[in-house]
Amino acid sequence: EAGVTQFPSHSVIEKGQTVTLRCDPISGHDNLYWYRRVMGKEIKFLLHFVKESKQDESGMPNNRFLAERTGGTYSTLKVQPAELEDSGVYFCASSQVREDNRAEEQYFGPGTRLTVT
Amino acid sequence: AQTVTQSQPEMSVQEAETVTLSCTYDTSESDYYLFWYKQPPSRQMILVIRQEAYKQQNATENRFSVNFQKAAKSFSLKISDSQLGDAAMYFCAYRRFLMEYGNKLVFGAGTILRVKS
Repeated sequence: EAGVTQFPSHSVIEKGQTVTLRCDPISGHDNLYWYRRVMGKEIKFLLHFVKESKQDESGMPNNRFLAERTGGTYSTLKVQPAELEDSGVYFCASSQVREDNRAEEQYFGPGTRLTVT
Repeated sequence: AQTVTQSQPEMSVQEAETVTLSCTYDTSESDYYLFWYKQPPSRQMILVIRQEAYKQQNATENRFSVNFQKAAKSFSLKISDSQLGDAAMYFCAYRRFLMEYGNKLVFGAGTILRVKS
């Protein structure tokens, strides 16, 4: 079974440019999450999709970030325009939905390292 | 809001010896989940061990075990018989109990574990 994949693995862009990150979850996983780790700090939640719907986007830092999950499969996270403080590693995770409302394991992708210069 | 603190930015252990990584958290809830994740260099994050707060027994997975002290809000990870493959960044994480409260993981800043041969 293929794991969570993310593309690209590394992106270097200039301030003001646009970047789109992609995440392909494990097949059949309706939950999809985006997290971000800024250098040396904790990993922070950005948002959570259930299928194509945004369940929780409380962690999105500002309106320069736009996440989509058309068709409930892969997801994209666009940063436009990018700022220096957006640099970090962006992780995607996916999980199954459990009927008993209990915690399910989140499977993480390898991350995309974004560098804004 | 819940917070997770890992006070050890780096730890070292000799191969075959035992090491303990510390984690404390803050929450007003009585039911929740705690996790330890491992991220090897340039590889994706994987779940090492999980603990449900309502269970008094400490979780164990082979050489990995936790010391869960609910009253003290402490959740340390003990790695026995350390191996070179244990070298990684370790993240402690918290999750609320029910999905209706949100699925997001709240992470600590991580601890780099170095294993010496």
